[in-house]
Amino acid sequence: GNSVTQMEGPVTLSEEAFLTINCTYTATGYPSLFWYVQYPGEGLQLLLKATKADDKGSNKGFEATYRKETTSFHLEKGSVQVSDSAVYFCALWSDYKLSFGAGTTVTVRA
Amino acid sequence: EAGVAQSPRYKIIEKRQSVAFWCNPISGHATLYWYQQILGQGPKLLIQFQNNGVVDDSQLPKDRFSAERLKGVDSTLKIQPAKLEDSAVYLCASSPGNIYEQYFGPGTRLTVT
Repeated sequence: GNSVTQMEGPVTLSEEAFLTINCTYTATGYPSLFWYVQYPGEGLQLLLKATKADDKGSNKGFEATYRKETTSFHLEKGSVQVSDSAVYFCALWSDYKLSFGAGTTVTVRA
Repeated sequence: EAGVAQSPRYKIIEKRQSVAFWCNPISGHATLYWYQQILGQGPKLLIQFQNNGVVDDSQLPKDRFSAERLKGVDSTLKIQPAKLEDSAVYLCASSPGNIYEQYFGPGTRLTVT
């Protein structure tokens, strides 16, 4: 079956630090990959996506590259802000379903 | 454009009681999803509707959970009777079709005591 494994949290960083959240997946075929973000008190929002191997998704300073050879889709941001504090979910779309990782809580301190 | 609306936002009930959640999707979205998000886990799909028909309910515990989508618009999810392990956030999402780009509501946090 399809599954997503992402780095456990929580992760606590200082402002302007570099953020990486690891994500690996198992899927049949060629899934599309996503990062969703959930800010406190809000619903999940699509942060970025990549639909084929070697695609790079980017948004709001975040980036992730679809690596088929390592079945990975790691999320990175070069300089985080307090407003980036949220829960981040890696997800894949395959067989017409979204499968989510467990989520990584990120707290950025001023 | 209004987003996905859900109510109530919070609910506390005792085990064996019943509870219902309501979702109003984005106008014009044909597909509606209910997810269960247990603390520390990612959302898990419970049921998917296309218009007012069920597309996938393979992970819905049908002995206690039921859902309907009235006239292909609003939807309700019911739990009867509730168990302690049903404590979770119930998320509703909608999309224009059976595609990955889903728009999520804020969720209903259920606590069963």
